[in-house]
Amino acid sequence: RKEVEQDPGPFNVPEGATVAFNCTYSNSASQSFFWYRQDCRKEPKLLMSVYSSGNEDGRFTAQLNRASQYISLLIRDSKLSDSATYLCVVDCLTSGTYKYIFGTGTRLKVLA
Amino acid sequence: GAVVSQHPSWVICKSGTSVKIECRSLDFQATTMFWYRQFPKQSLMLMATSNEGSKATYEQGVEKDKFLINHASLTLSTLTVTSAHPEDSSFYICSARNYQQGAQFFGPGTRLTVL
Repeated sequence: RKEVEQDPGPFNVPEGATVAFNCTYSNSASQSFFWYRQDCRKEPKLLMSVYSSGNEDGRFTAQLNRASQYISLLIRDSKLSDSATYLCVVDCLTSGTYKYIFGTGTRLKVLA
Repeated sequence: GAVVSQHPSWVICKSGTSVKIECRSLDFQATTMFWYRQFPKQSLMLMATSNEGSKATYEQGVEKDKFLINHASLTLSTLTVTSAHPEDSSFYICSARNYQQGAQFFGPGTRLTVL
């Protein structure tokens, strides 16, 4: 079983749609959680951190459920520019260093 | 967010040559930097953790003599791919951990092609 699992997609949605991505992780000692977006042939860019209380940034809402070891990302009113791969990232303390464990990423295509 | 630069953005070299890639944190000090490699349609694979002033920690299966890492200052880490071969062709991405923000910020990546 992979440490961080995501549905690879692709998710093809029309402009204006609401889309939700899910992610599960296996290490219960994981410390912090993030969503990054990665455009084709570019580096990952931090989208938002994820907290148990849930956090919202404009059209984006992230949620963490520690008991179920589950992370989600909701995108409302999708734009064409939201098309990208969304990476679920778990930050784990390993041998005294915080390291990222990446999900495989979920591809999103927003269609006109 | 924090800014991380990487140079060069792309390089083409002949088999057997060495290539040096620089990673700089521009607006914060990074005691810890990371080097990743990414093949097409795959996720990032951590190669090594670079700690300022000490030896890098390599992930299993990554040859430390082939991928030399130096982290001589709080804002600069370098990765040298020695005696490069075509199978080393990949997208190399560095990141720097900003402890204040508790997250890693990635450089724009270096696309290496070995002929």
